Amino acid sequence: DAGVTQSPTHLIKTRGQQVTLRCSPKSGHDTVSWYQQALGQGPQFIFQYYEEEERQRGNFPDRFSGHQFPNYSSELNVNALLLGDSALYLCASSPGTPNTGELFFGEGSRLTVL
Amino acid sequence: GENVEQHPSTLSVQEGDSAVIKCTYSDSASNYFPWYKQELGKRPQLIIDIRSNVGEKKDQRIAVTLNKTAKHFSLHITETQPEDSAVYFCAASIGGSQGNLIFGKGTKLSVKP
Repeated sequence: DAGVTQSPTHLIKTRGQQVTLRCSPKSGHDTVSWYQQALGQGPQFIFQYYEEEERQRGNFPDRFSGHQFPNYSSELNVNALLLGDSALYLCASSPGTPNTGELFFGEGSRLTVL
Repeated sequence: GENVEQHPSTLSVQEGDSAVIKCTYSDSASNYFPWYKQELGKRPQLIIDIRSNVGEKKDQRIAVTLNKTAKHFSLHITETQPEDSAVYFCAASIGGSQGNLIFGKGTKLSVKP
């Protein structure tokens, strides 16, 4: 049973560019959440997708957007990249029903903005 | 806004000793409190969790306690081993929402053989 998979694992971008990160949830999970983890910090909640809609959003600007597909996979898009967007981006999945609240994290996509 | 404070930021213990990490949260509606272990370059992994209707939970060498009145919860690791060395994060659910968590800033635990 594959866990949460993310791609790419590492990428380097320059300021002003745009990036798309991808996530496939754990088998049987239909809810996907995205977190940003800066170096030496705890993960910060970006948003959560369920039934192809953004269900809840953290304190992140509109430059951060997402999408969920009918197969439950998800994308995180970041526009107009800033140096401060450099971080590990973690995708986490959870079952919608029963919703125990337990999150399963992927290995993350490490984004470096130069 | 909602906040989770975690202490200490670093903790060094001798193998076999106990380690305790403490967290406080601000949102009265939080009802789910997981603890994650993150090794260098790896994903966070759930090690134990507790819900608001329970005061204490234990799983082998790991235990978590919750005091809802005081809004704090703690992780206890007994008989520590070198492989327990990692960064540990506490988290609290955002209100009653499942799957959306606020994390503490982490505790770097070092277990010396």
